[in-house]
Amino acid sequence: TQLLEQSPQFLSIQEGENLTVYCNSSSVFSSLQWYRQEPGEGPVLLVTVVTGGEVKKLKRLTFQFGDARKDSSLHITAAQPGDTGLYLCAGVSPPGAGSYQLTFGKGTKLSVIP
Amino acid sequence: EPEVTQTPSHQVTQMGQEVILRCVPISNHLYFYWYRQILGQKVEFLVSFYNNEISEKSEIFDDQFSVERPDGSNFTLKIRSTKLEDSAMYFCASSRLMSDYGYTFGSGTRLTVV
Repeated sequence: TQLLEQSPQFLSIQEGENLTVYCNSSSVFSSLQWYRQEPGEGPVLLVTVVTGGEVKKLKRLTFQFGDARKDSSLHITAAQPGDTGLYLCAGVSPPGAGSYQLTFGKGTKLSVIP
Repeated sequence: EPEVTQTPSHQVTQMGQEVILRCVPISNHLYFYWYRQILGQKVEFLVSFYNNEISEKSEIFDDQFSVERPDGSNFTLKIRSTKLEDSAMYFCASSRLMSDYGYTFGSGTRLTVV
């Protein structure tokens, strides 16, 4: 069973601060997806990283996939209250594993205080 | 922007009753999925569906569960005899290509079994 550990579990910061959340596993994934989930809603896809070492930027959000494709990070610059939410990472098993299901982490609950 | 639509948003049912959760995936998507999230826990994979058949299912998806695409637009999840532990948010998702490229999730159906 592949597991994804996200850290920290909770993060409360002041508006304008920078932050990084992590998604780690002992398993290799063919890709990692980052989602944001609001209470009572479904996850909304932010980005997919596929290549080891890949970096993708989405405005103030920077996503990185580890060289070994076992970990990923999300860095937010100058956080704003609108960034508040639950950030989930989800991995897809590597080709040949016989599975394309997403394995989700438990998420990082971010609160940005004005 | 195209979205995945789920109905009902909330369903309360008595233990032992059958429920059908409905989803309308994005029209040009080919792969369909059901995930669930028990309160406070991870999002968990249930089943994937492609070309009118189940392509993968998890251990959770036992004989009490079934999926169907009765027409060209709907995708349903049936639970034959609900148990208390089936209480959860159930998310439908769809993707145009295989899961490496990210899914679009619906807003979910909150199922409460009493």
